[in-house]
Amino acid sequence: VQLVQSGAEVKKPGESLRISCKASGYSFTGYWIGWVRQMPGKGLDWMGIIYPPDSDTRYSPSFQGQVTMSADKSITTAYLQWSSLKASDTAMYYCARMGASADYWGQGTQVTVSA
Amino acid sequence: EIVMTQSPATLSVSPGERVTLSCRASQKVSSNLAWFQQKPGQSPRLLIYGASTRATGIPARFSGSGSGTEFTLTISSLQSEDFAIYFCQQYDSWYTFGQGTKLEIK
Repeated sequence: VQLVQSGAEVKKPGESLRISCKASGYSFTGYWIGWVRQMPGKGLDWMGIIYPPDSDTRYSPSFQGQVTMSADKSITTAYLQWSSLKASDTAMYYCARMGASADYWGQGTQVTVSA
Repeated sequence: EIVMTQSPATLSVSPGERVTLSCRASQKVSSNLAWFQQKPGQSPRLLIYGASTRATGIPARFSGSGSGTEFTLTISSLQSEDFAIYFCQQYDSWYTFGQGTKLEIK
């Protein structure tokens, strides 16, 4: 099982962004994918989950309307996107396979938003 | 929202010691509780799920117990590679993490 995330991003406030999580080594359509935020020096914040077969998506209240999760089962890839970044979106973002809890994690994507 | 509270925030211990970390839920979560380890610059790693089941490849020195609202993670004999931050997470009603316990070398 591998989850490989896209590389670090540096963006300006107001810009859009989509980061990716490429899954391999298991049936992509058999598991939910979760997304977790970790702000600098802080703990883990659960953002939401997506079910790749039908893109059923559930968001934590704090992230509802702030981000959009999507998935392309043809290329076994999940995405997390922002339409208008804020400085407060600066964080490490992880994807995780939802097997027995979050059993496999990506390496993380660092997103830095600065003017 | 279920609030997870971990204690202590920081624990200074020596290699070879036995250590117990605590996690309390603001309401019952049955046994839907996981523990994760995170080392600096690394992704979290699943240690325990279902409150007491070790994840694949996790050494037997790690054990979890509890149900309802009170949970513990025990490391029977600390190894140098165990100094890290440990997070609990409930997945009974949505998902929430505790704030973490940092294990540091005494």
